[in-house]
Amino acid sequence: DGGITQSPKYLFRKEGQNVTLSCEQNLNHDAMYWYRQDPGQGLRLIYYSQIVNDFQKGDIAEGYSVSREKKESFPLTVTSAQKNPTAFYLCASSIWVVSTGELFFGEGSRLTVL
Amino acid sequence: SQQGEEDPQALSIQEGENATMNCSYKTSINNLQWYRQNSGRGLVHLILIRSNEREKHSGRLRVTLDTSKKSSSLLITASRAADTASYFCATETSGSRLTFGEGTQLTVNP
Repeated sequence: DGGITQSPKYLFRKEGQNVTLSCEQNLNHDAMYWYRQDPGQGLRLIYYSQIVNDFQKGDIAEGYSVSREKKESFPLTVTSAQKNPTAFYLCASSIWVVSTGELFFGEGSRLTVL
Repeated sequence: SQQGEEDPQALSIQEGENATMNCSYKTSINNLQWYRQNSGRGLVHLILIRSNEREKHSGRLRVTLDTSKKSSSLLITASRAADTASYFCATETSGSRLTFGEGTQLTVNP
């Protein structure tokens, strides 16, 4: 089945530690995205990538880093510089032509900082 | 800043009733999309309406777009308990970034 796989589903981190969230897609989509969702709120864009080896900052990129070495993979690292990392993280992908179009989402990763 | 704002924030109805959610936005858009999110899950795309379209249907869903008022509505007809979820509008502007609203929490009571 085609789709987006995020792992882990739940993650606990101590303050000061970096943590990496995995996102893999087998939809052959060019574009991939990372969003953050806080309780009762909408999604905010962290980073996005339209092509391998290229990515752009979104609205809240501070304290996060990404890489796009393969078309299928777009991991997100939450660094110790992120002041309030506890949140629900969603990865998405889309066929990029001239616009974003429909986003396909993974099931999310919930990060809790202890 | 939020481009799309949904109204109401929460809506509770009985099974069989219709549910209407509204989305307002501030700047010109290329398209507007509606997504659904079950609690603790990822978002699922429902429907996309382009700026030159006024209405679209998909099953029990009807979406309208009024670009003069910068607003859209999502109507779910004959609602079911399984429609209980959060519903988000997302607007795509030139520059091709999707911006999400804060969502409407819909509860359909059996």
